[in-house]
Amino acid sequence: DGGITQSPKYLFRKEGQNVTLSCEQNLNHDAMYWYRQDPGQGLRLIYYSQIVNDFQKGDIAEGYSVSREKKESFPLTVTSAQKNPTAFYLCASSIYGDSYGYTFGSGTRLTVV
Amino acid sequence: QKEVEQNSGPLSVPEGAIASLNCTYSDRGSQSFFWYRQYSGKSPELIMSIYSNGDKEDGRFTAQLNKASQYVSLLIRDSQPSDSATYLCAVTFTGGTSYGKLTFGQGTILTVHP
Repeated sequence: DGGITQSPKYLFRKEGQNVTLSCEQNLNHDAMYWYRQDPGQGLRLIYYSQIVNDFQKGDIAEGYSVSREKKESFPLTVTSAQKNPTAFYLCASSIYGDSYGYTFGSGTRLTVV
Repeated sequence: QKEVEQNSGPLSVPEGAIASLNCTYSDRGSQSFFWYRQYSGKSPELIMSIYSNGDKEDGRFTAQLNKASQYVSLLIRDSQPSDSATYLCAVTFTGGTSYGKLTFGQGTILTVHP
């Protein structure tokens, strides 16, 4: 079945450590997105990519980095520069310019310990 | 900054009542409008989309769009306890690198009590 796979489901980060969240899709979608959700809040855009080897900063890109070397994959690295990384991270994909909404992954819950 | 605002919650309605969720957006040129439902700890799921002024009905859900007032709403008829969730309004803004990119509101928590 087609879909988006995020891993891991839960992730724990120590202070000063970089961690990478995985997002893989087999929907042949051009565009991929990373959102952050804090408790009781909506989704805020971190980074997005509309084609391979290209990506754009969203509203809250500081402390995060991404790559888009393959159409299927859009990993997100939470760096030590992100001072408050504890949140629920959601990856999504869509056909470029498609107005039919997104397909979401199941999310990764990141906690700083 | 282009914004999407939802009416403050949480919203509590009795079972069988109509729940009304509201959303306003800042960009008059916005093209596409979506309502997502999100259960606690889960990812959002698309329940309604609307692109032109007026009403769109799908089962117990009705989306209403008024582009002149920059307003979109979601009505849930015959509310059920299983409708208890956070409802997210999302809008695609126009122009440049915003093409196809969704901006979300902060969400409204709905509780349907028996």
